[in-house]
Amino acid sequence: DAGVTQSPTHLIKTRGQQVTLRCSPKSGHDTVSWYQQALGQGPQFIFQYYEEEERQRGNFPDRFSGHQFPNYSSELNVNALLLGDSALYLCASSPGPGGDTEAFFGQGTRLTVV
Amino acid sequence: QKEVEQDPGPLSVPEGAIVSLNCTYSNSAFQYFMWYRQYSRKGPELLMYTYSSGNKEDGRFTAQVDKSSKYISLFIRDSQPSDSATYLCAMRNTGFQKLVFGTGTRLLVSP
Repeated sequence: DAGVTQSPTHLIKTRGQQVTLRCSPKSGHDTVSWYQQALGQGPQFIFQYYEEEERQRGNFPDRFSGHQFPNYSSELNVNALLLGDSALYLCASSPGPGGDTEAFFGQGTRLTVV
Repeated sequence: QKEVEQDPGPLSVPEGAIVSLNCTYSNSAFQYFMWYRQYSRKGPELLMYTYSSGNKEDGRFTAQVDKSSKYISLFIRDSQPSDSATYLCAMRNTGFQKLVFGTGTRLLVSP
């Protein structure tokens, strides 16, 4: 079982650019959530996707958007990057949007905005 | 006030010590309580998962939840240098997978 896989592992972008991060969920999981973890902080919930729809959203601006594909993989897009968007972006998967089960995290994508 | 409060540490202990890590929370709707371990520059790894109040034990790890006090704890017995990491508590409501995290406590176990 490959677990949750994310790509790329690192990337550097310039302020104002756009970025796309990718996530493949753990086998058997159909729900994907995205989190942002700033240095020295706990992860903050961005949004959750289930059945190719955004089901829940945290307190993040519309510059953050996502997509889920029929194979349950997901993308996180961030437009008009700001320096403050520099963080570790984590993908978590679970079997169901509100099931009584735990979420498993990927290794994250470290985004640096310069 | 944050929904989940956690002392950032660092907490330094000698090898073999019993470690106690704690979180407090303000949202009484939280029903599921998790502890994650995160090594530097890695994703969080689930350690313990507890529903409602009570204790749960898994090897050297014991999780306790006291909903009346809105207080959760993780105990690590016979701590090892390999336990050195950041420990994050996380919580969620029934029916929602959104996790609310503490800031994490950095633990250092010296040989």
